[in-house]
Amino acid sequence: DAKTTQPNSMESNEEEPVHLPCNHSTISGTDYIHWYRQLPSQGPEYVIHGLTSNVNNRMASLAIAEDRKSSTLILHRATLRDAAVYYCILRAGVGGGGADGLTFGKGTHLIIQP
Amino acid sequence: DSGVTQTPKHLITATGQRVTLRCSPRSGDLSVYWYQQSLDQGLQFLIQYYNGEERAKGNILERFSAQQFPDLHSELNLSSLELGDSALYFCASSVGAPQNTGELFFGEGSRLTVL
Repeated sequence: DAKTTQPNSMESNEEEPVHLPCNHSTISGTDYIHWYRQLPSQGPEYVIHGLTSNVNNRMASLAIAEDRKSSTLILHRATLRDAAVYYCILRAGVGGGGADGLTFGKGTHLIIQP
Repeated sequence: DSGVTQTPKHLITATGQRVTLRCSPRSGDLSVYWYQQSLDQGLQFLIQYYNGEERAKGNILERFSAQQFPDLHSELNLSSLELGDSALYFCASSVGAPQNTGELFFGEGSRLTVL
């Protein structure tokens, strides 16, 4: 499975934007980039995913580099409720082969300061 | 609320015992996934079922087994329990084809403590 590299932790202030980086230099052409987060004492929660183009939804934006070897999850205005572990995961698309499950790394522990 | 229901929420048992964890997927979801999360190993993929059939296996021990029933609920059976099996066990479900790029919906987990 293609691997991702994320910083162990990041700290930000409440109501400020947060940019969470992810490197995935061995990404294949059919791999989708998924982001999940896990709040304390809860199961992981889907945030966003994309293939090539930047994506926006109500939770966040995903900026994907042109060569797809890196991506950035953007929380536009962090709140205390956004404090969580954020996981960047590559997932094979249809025809990409392999297991369909998500392979979680260690993720980035995001700390939000009031 | 993800729509995925797991029972029990908490379970305490002794070494050598056997337990069954149950998962009801979101309505309409055909795939069910099981994950184990312990402090030192992080989230580990155990096994996936799609429409009643085993689809993929991860780091699942031989002492563990799972199945998905015709009504699509799934059970994870853990036997000959050891102290190291203490962990949070998550179930997730997703809609659609076996290879699906869509999102997984996770339950709140079952916390297993082996004494």
